Amino acid sequence: QVQLQESGPGLVKPSETLSLTCTVSGASISNFFWSWIRQPPGKGLEWIGYIYYNGSTKYNPSLKSRVTISEDTSKNHFSLKLTSVTAADTAVYYCARGTDYADPFDFWGQGALVTVSS
Amino acid sequence: QSVLTQPPSASGTPGQRVTISCSGSRSNTKSNTVNWYQQLPGAAPKLLIYSNYHRPSGVPDRFSGSKSGTSAALTISGLQSEDEADYYCAAWDDSLDGYYAFGTGTKVTVL
Repeated sequence: QVQLQESGPGLVKPSETLSLTCTVSGASISNFFWSWIRQPPGKGLEWIGYIYYNGSTKYNPSLKSRVTISEDTSKNHFSLKLTSVTAADTAVYYCARGTDYADPFDFWGQGALVTVSS
Repeated sequence: QSVLTQPPSASGTPGQRVTISCSGSRSNTKSNTVNWYQQLPGAAPKLLIYSNYHRPSGVPDRFSGSKSGTSAALTISGLQSEDEADYYCAAWDDSLDGYYAFGTGTKVTVL
């Protein structure tokens, strides 16, 4: 069974960089599309971006200037960096798997709450 | 702001049929397939319907999806108490170099 687990600091100061890692088990990240999705408290879902196993990435236009998604195939995990964070970036961050770039997300992590506050 | 519009809420009594709409445009719901996710309270979203009307293994057949033009719909036939959740439509959007768009979400309440 494919499992994804987000990890990283739960508290980040304004203007700093949010960093999260998604560790995958039960599947190799050297295949599929791996995405980050976030959900502010009480609000809807927002796709952040994906990385494909060959290293190619695509990001949500609204976040593109601040986002970097990278992968480490040796550790079977991929990571998210979001720079210059503000309180508006406070959210539960999910990682998820898609079989193609436009395909649905069939496996999700449980989510990690990241709060931006001084 | 989401380019896929859903009603904020829907409700019904057990056994009733509930339909949730998802309104998009030529660059998303008309050009690409629509997926639906169910998010139970405090949980991660779960894929409910993919490619407009297909159900993943394990999803009860009371959930069905449809699409016509720029709109899609999710129908719950025979509403059950465990269906109380948030529901999101989603589709790839071909504009702005492409991105995955989620709907605004609909809270379904079982009365």
